[in-house]
Amino acid sequence: TQLLEQSPQFLSIQEGENLTVYCNSSSVFSSLQWYRQEPGEGPVLLVTVVTGGEVKKLKRLTFQFGDARKDSSLHITAAQTGDTGLYLCASGTYKYIFGTGTRLKVLA
Amino acid sequence: EAQVTQNPRYLITVTGKKLTVTCSQNMNHEYMSWYRQDPGLGLRQIYYSMNVEATDKGDVPEGYKVSRKEKRNFPLILESPSPNQTSLYFCASSLFGTVTDTQYFGPGTRLTVL
Repeated sequence: TQLLEQSPQFLSIQEGENLTVYCNSSSVFSSLQWYRQEPGEGPVLLVTVVTGGEVKKLKRLTFQFGDARKDSSLHITAAQTGDTGLYLCASGTYKYIFGTGTRLKVLA
Repeated sequence: EAQVTQNPRYLITVTGKKLTVTCSQNMNHEYMSWYRQDPGLGLRQIYYSMNVEATDKGDVPEGYKVSRKEKRNFPLILESPSPNQTSLYFCASSLFGTVTDTQYFGPGTRLTVL
C-alpha cells in the first residue's frame, strides 16, 4: 500500500519568511495533488502535478514534482497570514490516498 | 453556486443507532467520494462512486454503507455506529474522478458516537 509522508508536521513562522514542505512516497506516484484546508472547511485543491520534474507556480507558491515521481515539495515565498492552514498532498485516480498534512501557522 | 452540501454538519448519537449523512452536489459530477479525517491519520477514503449504481471500497470501508441511486446524491450510512467512528467526515465530487479533475469537498460533518 502506498503511503504518503509529509514533513514537517507543524511549522510556525513569521510573516515574510520562506518555507518548504515535503511529501514523500514509498513508491512512484502516478500524479500528485496539493490541497490547503482551513479550519472548519473542506480541503481546496491548489495544484496537480503529473510529469516527473514538473514545476508549477501559483503566485507565491511553487510546486515541484521529483524526477523519479516519488517526492514533491511546496515552497512558499514571503509567507502571509492568509497562508495559515493545513497543507495536504494526495495521490490517486478514483481511489485516493492523502498524506497526514503539514499544519502551517504564519504569525503577523 | 456550484457546491457540495452535507447534512447534518454536527451530530451526536449513541452506539448502535443507525444514521445517515447526506451528500449532494449540483455540478453534474459523475464521481463522488466519502472521507474521514482523524488527528494524526489525515484523510482516509471510505467509499467512492464512479457513476450511478457503481460504488467501490476505499481504504476504510468497514462499518459503512453507501448508495448511489441518483447522480447528485451519495449518502453515507452507519447501520450500527460505534465510538471508533467518531470523526470528521467529508464528501467530495469531481467530474470523472481522474487526476486532471478538481475534487470539490463539502464543509464536513462532525460525528460523535457515545
